[in-house]
Amino acid sequence: NAGVTQTPKFQVLKTGQSMTLQCAQDMNHNSMYWYRQDPGMGLRLIYYSASEGTTDKGEVPNGYNVSRLNKREFSLRLESAAPSQTSVYFCASTSLTGAGTDTQYFGPGTRLTVL
Amino acid sequence: GNSVTQMEGPVTLSEEAFLTINCTYTATGYPSLFWYVQYPGEGLQLLLKATKADDKGSNKGFEATYRKETTSFHLEKGSVQVSDSAVYFCALTLNTGNQFYFGTGTSLTVIP
Repeated sequence: NAGVTQTPKFQVLKTGQSMTLQCAQDMNHNSMYWYRQDPGMGLRLIYYSASEGTTDKGEVPNGYNVSRLNKREFSLRLESAAPSQTSVYFCASTSLTGAGTDTQYFGPGTRLTVL
Repeated sequence: GNSVTQMEGPVTLSEEAFLTINCTYTATGYPSLFWYVQYPGEGLQLLLKATKADDKGSNKGFEATYRKETTSFHLEKGSVQVSDSAVYFCALTLNTGNQFYFGTGTSLTVIP
């Protein structure tokens, strides 16, 4: 099992450029998440997908779009990158059985710099 | 609402010192509680968890007890090692919800 994989690992963009961050999990989890991590801010939820075919906004969705392509894959798109989107982006997944014992599994992160 | 508050860092300790990182929570329902650890340049990974009051989660010498009366889940380790240097996140999730709520993280540096 690879767990949660993310591509790319590093990316530098110019203001106004677009890009898509890819995430895939091989644990048959139904829920997937995108977070950003900024110094002193901890993890902030951008979007999540509780199940295939559904997506919901998190705490900081502005400037982002997501696609739950299938059960395995959940992508994050920046349509017009801004310097404020410079951050480390983490994808996560969980089985979310509702039993309260669910654990989130994280990818290694994408380090994005917007100039 | 739901939130997690953990002690500000950074924390610097000498090897073999005792570690406590405080974590308190507010929740609209009945939460499960987690500690995650993030080593430099990596994603978060689960350290331990507890799903009901008075449960003690433990792993790699770390422990935390779910205290409903004080809404706390403090992380402790009796003797830290240099390899424990990392950022530690407290988190909760509700049985009825889809989201996880994370604290802001506490950076720990252990010096030889």
